[in-house]
Amino acid sequence: GENVEQHPSTLSVQEGDSAVIKCTYSDSASNYFPWYKQELGKGPQLIIDIRSNVGEKKDQRIAVTLNKTAKHFSLHITETQPEDSAVYFCAAREYGGSQGNLIFGKGTKLSVKP
Amino acid sequence: NAGVTQTPKFRILKIGQSMTLQCTQDMNHNYMYWYRQDPGMGLKLIYYSVGAGITDKGEVPNGYNVSRSTTEDFPLRLELAAPSQTSVYFCASNTPGTGGAYGYTFGSGTRLTVV
Repeated sequence: GENVEQHPSTLSVQEGDSAVIKCTYSDSASNYFPWYKQELGKGPQLIIDIRSNVGEKKDQRIAVTLNKTAKHFSLHITETQPEDSAVYFCAAREYGGSQGNLIFGKGTKLSVKP
Repeated sequence: NAGVTQTPKFRILKIGQSMTLQCTQDMNHNYMYWYRQDPGMGLKLIYYSVGAGITDKGEVPNGYNVSRSTTEDFPLRLELAAPSQTSVYFCASNTPGTGGAYGYTFGSGTRLTVV
């Protein structure tokens, strides 16, 4: 089955700097890669996603890149703000099997210092 | 539009007690999921359902049971609570492929402590 590794587990940046979180996946057939943001005491919320037929996707200050050959994808946050502080999870959709569940990484706790 | 609603938000159980975590969604999603989240361990799939009357085990199903009698509701049952079930539980839903969206909508979670 699919396995997703996420790094780093914690990341601290100064306000205005960029933050990058990286994930690798094991199943080359996986075709969908979402990123979730979880604020304290809340459920994860989808912030951006990418499909396997696209190399990069941007939405304002956040972007996701995908390298299918290397089986890794990354979340990039530019001009970080204190409200970006949260735990971020990457995931990969299993291909085939019963119905393609999402397999999650272990999360990255991002702290943005003002 | 409420999305995915979970109750209760917090609960303390004694070892051996039972309880049901409630989950309901109003988006007419076919698929629903239960995850548990332990510190530093990410989200682990407990059970999922692809429609009313259909459920299947995820990665960590032992100690739990589910049912899906309606599209809207997907309760999670703990029969004999154990300290290892202390965790935060999240319910999620989606309808894969709709508009190309595979992403899940999560509830706000139930924090369960077993003592």
